[in-house]
Amino acid sequence: DSGVTQTPKHLITATGQRVTLRCSPRSGDLSVYWYQQSLDQGLQFLIQYYNGEERAKGNILERFSAQQFPDLHSELNLSSLELGDSALYFCASSPQSGGYTFGSGTRLTVV
Amino acid sequence: QQPVQSPQAVILREGEDAVINCSSSKALYSVHWYRQKHGEAPVFLMILLKGGEQKGHEKISASFNEKKQQSSLYLTASQLSYSGTYFCGTELSNYQLIWGAGTKLIIKP
Repeated sequence: DSGVTQTPKHLITATGQRVTLRCSPRSGDLSVYWYQQSLDQGLQFLIQYYNGEERAKGNILERFSAQQFPDLHSELNLSSLELGDSALYFCASSPQSGGYTFGSGTRLTVV
Repeated sequence: QQPVQSPQAVILREGEDAVINCSSSKALYSVHWYRQKHGEAPVFLMILLKGGEQKGHEKISASFNEKKQQSSLYLTASQLSYSGTYFCGTELSNYQLIWGAGTKLIIKP
């Protein structure tokens, strides 16, 4: 157990639908990062939050949004889903400066 | 801006050594190294801060040449458990990591 909790582990949904992925960071970590990883590809940075505020944005689609709540857990919302959105979605957390701890990921399949 | 990792893939026999390189065109604040096994989350190996330090983690060590803006990951006497894809992440000044495309390492018995 890495200390970063992601739910659900697997999600199968139809095109056009909306889903919410949830992440609880490791205790004490203020930063949360969201990544998308398509089959056998690298990590695509989506967005970073630090202590409730958006800190950095990557190649996140307009159909995707995220937020970090006062208890520091974060949610990634994916809407109007397309087949190409099928991927592994990872959340990671880190202290102010240090290595990232990744959650086990949510495998999203859009059918 | 994405760091360049080389080689893209390497196949070794158990017990052999490997070097994975990560080069950036930008001045770096730090370099991170991670290993990811198929279908699993990336696992943090080590972070190197500017200053040219070398770090070690069992038989895996790394160096960071600030002037050349490059880092190398050294795996000595490789074990089957070392198989996976290795990613470097380069940190500029804004706490954001830019990830390399990964180096796939296959260890054969």
